Amino acid sequence: EAQVTQNPRYLITVTGKKLTVTCSQNMNHEYMSWYRQDPGLGLRQIYYSMNVEVTDKGDVPEGYKVSRKEKRNFPLILESPSPNQTSLYFCASSLSSQPQHFGDGTRLSIL
Amino acid sequence: AQKVTQAQTEISVVEKEDVTLDCVYETRDTTYYLFWYKQPPSGELVFLIRRNSFDEQNEISGRYSWNFQKSTSSFNFTITASQVVDSAVYFCALSEAIDNDMRFGAGTRLTVKP
Repeated sequence: EAQVTQNPRYLITVTGKKLTVTCSQNMNHEYMSWYRQDPGLGLRQIYYSMNVEVTDKGDVPEGYKVSRKEKRNFPLILESPSPNQTSLYFCASSLSSQPQHFGDGTRLSIL
Repeated sequence: AQKVTQAQTEISVVEKEDVTLDCVYETRDTTYYLFWYKQPPSGELVFLIRRNSFDEQNEISGRYSWNFQKSTSSFNFTITASQVVDSAVYFCALSEAIDNDMRFGAGTRLTVKP
């Protein structure tokens, strides 16, 4: 089954404690991206990757890092999380300009 | 830079009413793609439709229809005979062909009451 898998689905943590949200897709898509969803703001892109070892900033990259060492994986790293990064996060993948397949979301709470 | 505006923050209708969700976009590209996604209360994002900028034909899929008008930069979504299961947040999105960077509108929360 074609899917984008994010882990964890829920996480409550504290300010400053490094965390990683993993994202994996099994569709051999070149394009992957991370979004955060906040009330009244829709989804805003954090980072995206056009292919292995190619990543670029989206609209709200501050405080986040990503890597794309393999085609299927695109982890999102918060080196020093802060409360303003409390949000719902989505990973997505697609072929170029095709509809994006979204993961089920990760709800992060940073205390 | 591209931009998507969904001016309706929340809409509430009674079952069986028709409802239209508005989407206005801005882009300088001549080639672009427009999307609608549904986010039900369970939280996942469900793809509904994709249109490219060269295809202005309206589309109908069951009770759903989409009206794409380049002259007004709009891509509106109509649900006919709404049902309670249509209650969700609906997002319109735009992707410029050159870099696949997708921009979402703020979303419209639709509540359909029995």
